[in-house]
Amino acid sequence: TQLLEQSPQFLSIQEGENLTVYCNSSSVFSSLQWYRQEPGEGPVLLVTVVTGGEVKKLKRLTFQFGDARKDSSLHITAAQPGDTGLYLCAVAINDYKLSFGAGTTVTVRA
Amino acid sequence: NAGVTQTPKFQVLKTGQSMTLQCAQDMNHEYMSWYRQDPGMGLRLIHYSVGAGITDQGEVPNGYNVSRSTTEDFPLRLLSAAPSQTSVYFCASSQGGGGDDGYTFGSGTRLTVV
Repeated sequence: TQLLEQSPQFLSIQEGENLTVYCNSSSVFSSLQWYRQEPGEGPVLLVTVVTGGEVKKLKRLTFQFGDARKDSSLHITAAQPGDTGLYLCAVAINDYKLSFGAGTTVTVRA
Repeated sequence: NAGVTQTPKFQVLKTGQSMTLQCAQDMNHEYMSWYRQDPGMGLRLIHYSVGAGITDQGEVPNGYNVSRSTTEDFPLRLLSAAPSQTSVYFCASSQGGGGDDGYTFGSGTRLTVV
């Protein structure tokens, strides 16, 4: 059983549409991270959220940490083909280890 | 600034062969880790290091060895390759353990064991 459940597993949309991906758990976390991974590359950190209810924006990407710090969402406005990739959420289990969700594969069609 | 460099990019091994996956970082990070990525399973921690001379096991350490003789390098050794070790391997580094600042990942080694 994965600590972090991501949904949906796959998402294919047209350029210009909006999308939301989710990261859920039954555990409470002190912080949560979102990464994006492009084909043939390693994950790249997008953001870390640390406060319950926190909203962070990165251009067209909006990240929210749930009030209870058990879940998070990533919303992309007016998606572009460059947003295509695997989106991973992760939490720090201790000082040395990140636990990752299985990821959401996003495809934005031109 | 190269960040985290992994070699080779691709590798095919026969069952029973051994090999070393190389990882080097030039950011003077204390924490380094090896993850494997398999479809539908996310990234799973194999081994990690919190500094030169200090290593420990992660979730899936069996069949792998590591050492950390310098801050920069953290090689992963496959002792006797098995088809179950077919995967994409990522090396990552962090200054503060990854909780706040996250990890910087290499571009991966895609390993196939036949």
